[in-house]
This record gives sequence, structure tokens and C-alpha cells, in this order.
Amino acid sequence: NAGVTQTPKFRILKIGQSMTLQCTQDMNHNYMYWYRQDPGMGLKLIYYSVGAGITDKGEVPNGYNVSRSTTEDFPLRLELAAPSQTSVYFCASSKQQGAGGELFFGEGSRLTVL
Amino acid sequence: AQSVTQPDIHITVSEGASLELRCNYSYGATPYLFWYVQSPGQGLQLLLKYFSGDTLVQGIKGFEAEFKRSQSSFNLRKPSVHWSDAAEYFCAVGLPMYSGGGADGLTFGKGTHLIIQP
Repeated sequence: NAGVTQTPKFRILKIGQSMTLQCTQDMNHNYMYWYRQDPGMGLKLIYYSVGAGITDKGEVPNGYNVSRSTTEDFPLRLELAAPSQTSVYFCASSKQQGAGGELFFGEGSRLTVL
Repeated sequence: AQSVTQPDIHITVSEGASLELRCNYSYGATPYLFWYVQSPGQGLQLLLKYFSGDTLVQGIKGFEAEFKRSQSSFNLRKPSVHWSDAAEYFCAVGLPMYSGGGADGLTFGKGTHLIIQP
């Protein structure tokens, strides 16, 4: 079982560059989430999606964009990378609405912006 | 606004000793409660969860947690830790739909880093 797969695992960007973090899940979950994790700060929700074609902002959406064209995929786009976006990014999925269901996490993507 | 507090940033425990990690929440209603564990370089894995019923819940890897409504707490415990328990532990809460919860997932605490001494 693959579960939630994120690519790349590591990436270094220069300020102003753009990139897309890929996330795919094979569990047919409707709900998908992007979090960022900063040292000592826990996880902050960036964007989430309740199904294909539907996305919404979380707590810290500035500087990011998402799309959800299929149930399986939920890519996170960084436009004009800034040092403040240096973080570890986690994609997660859930069968049920967030609080009612277990979140399944990918292994994370560590991004450094220099 | 809802919040989750994990008062201990780091905890050091000797192998074989008992463990208790603290979690307090502030919510308008009784939320759903979770504990996740994150091993180095890995994603988060669910240890256990509380929705309703028996306030003492059992999880994987020998962990348990007790929900105390009067104290707004959901502390994680293990009777005897193993070196492999060294990891980051996160408490998380979320509102059920019937209490106004949305689809925006869970609110996480800042985590407690567990160090195991040999």
C-alpha cells in the first residue's frame, strides 16, 4: 500500500523561483490537506480540499496555490519562493471530514529557499 | 478560538521508565482528540484517538491516553518506554460536524520531543 506519496523529498530553491510539490494518494479519500511544519511550531494548515474541483484556504495560504483536478492528486504550487517558505511540507488525506477521520500523512518534503 | 497546548517542548526519560505527555485544549465544545507520533524524517502516524465513550483509550505501540473533561486534558501515557519511542509527539483536536466542525482538518499542538536515555 502506497498511501500518501509526496515528491520531491528535498529541494533547494533560489529566492523568486517557483516549484510544485506533488502529492498523490491511492486510498480514494475525498479530503486532502497541505500542512507546513516549522521547528517548535507544530503543523499549520495551508490549503485543503474536500473533493475534486474544490479547494479552500487554511491558516497560512499566502504565497501558495493548489489545485484538485482528480481525487488522487493535490499539488501545492509555490510562486516566487521566499526564505519564509523554508519548511517541511506534509500532505495528508482523510476518508472523512477532518475531525471525524484519521489523517494519513506523506513522509514530507523538505524545502529550503536561499 | 480553539487552541491546543503541549506544555513540554522536550522530555527526557530513561528506558524502561514510565512516560506521561501532557495536552490541554481550549474549545467551545468537547472536541475529537488525537495523538500522533513523528519519527525522524517521517510523516505523522496516528497513535490513538478519542471520540466519545470510555475516557481511557488504548492505542498502538502500548500507548494509552485519558480524556479528562474537567481539566480539558488528554494526556498520553506509556508504562515502560523503549528506545524506539524517541520521536516527536503531537496532540491534535478537531470539532465534530455536529458541533460546527468544518472540513479544515485538525488543530495541532506544537509538539513534545521525547528523548530516551539508555
